[in-house]
Amino acid sequence: GEDVEQSLFLSVREGDSSVINCTYTDSSSTYLYWYKQEPGAGLQLLTYIFSNMDMKQDQRLTVLLNKKDKHLSLRIADTQTGDSAIYFCAVAGMDSSYKLIFGSGTRLLVRP
Amino acid sequence: DAEITQSPRHKITETGRQVTLACHQTWNHNNMFWYRQDLGHGLRLIHYSYGVQDTNKGEVSDGYSVSRSNTEDLPLTLESAASSQTSVYFCASSESGTANEQFFGPGTRLTVL
Repeated sequence: GEDVEQSLFLSVREGDSSVINCTYTDSSSTYLYWYKQEPGAGLQLLTYIFSNMDMKQDQRLTVLLNKKDKHLSLRIADTQTGDSAIYFCAVAGMDSSYKLIFGSGTRLLVRP
Repeated sequence: DAEITQSPRHKITETGRQVTLACHQTWNHNNMFWYRQDLGHGLRLIHYSYGVQDTNKGEVSDGYSVSRSNTEDLPLTLESAASSQTSVYFCASSESGTANEQFFGPGTRLTVL
């Protein structure tokens, strides 16, 4: 079945850029997603990218998609302490475009 | 404002008891999902529904059941709670025919003793 992999932890200094990476095994997904989870809360959609795009920019967020390598990344520019959270990559399952397969999440720690 | 709510937010129960977790959304979304979140596993899909009277098993459905009698609610039932079902449970909903953005509830932390 579909597998989505992420590194577990990333630590950056406030003001630096953060890059969170995700790889997936196979996908018929039309969209690929990045979600953010703050402590004690549910997941919130940050951004998504259409599968025929290579890049999407949304304010401080840049999503890069390399379909050949099955690699998705999220870049956060000028990272702030409020960006400290867990970030999940998600793709649609092979058998349905409505079911999502989530990575295990990357915990981002922003140091002052 | 439209929203998705879960209740209770915290629950402690004993092994063998039946437990029902509630999920209610006011977006009138067709699709609803239940996930569990465990350290090191991310979110795993338990059950999902694409409309009233429709239910489907996810990757970790054993020991769980759902029913969909109306658009707004998808309750999750643990028939006989086990310690392995101690977890944080999230409900989500989405609308068909869009970018499939899933909106998540705040979660229910369940402890089975």
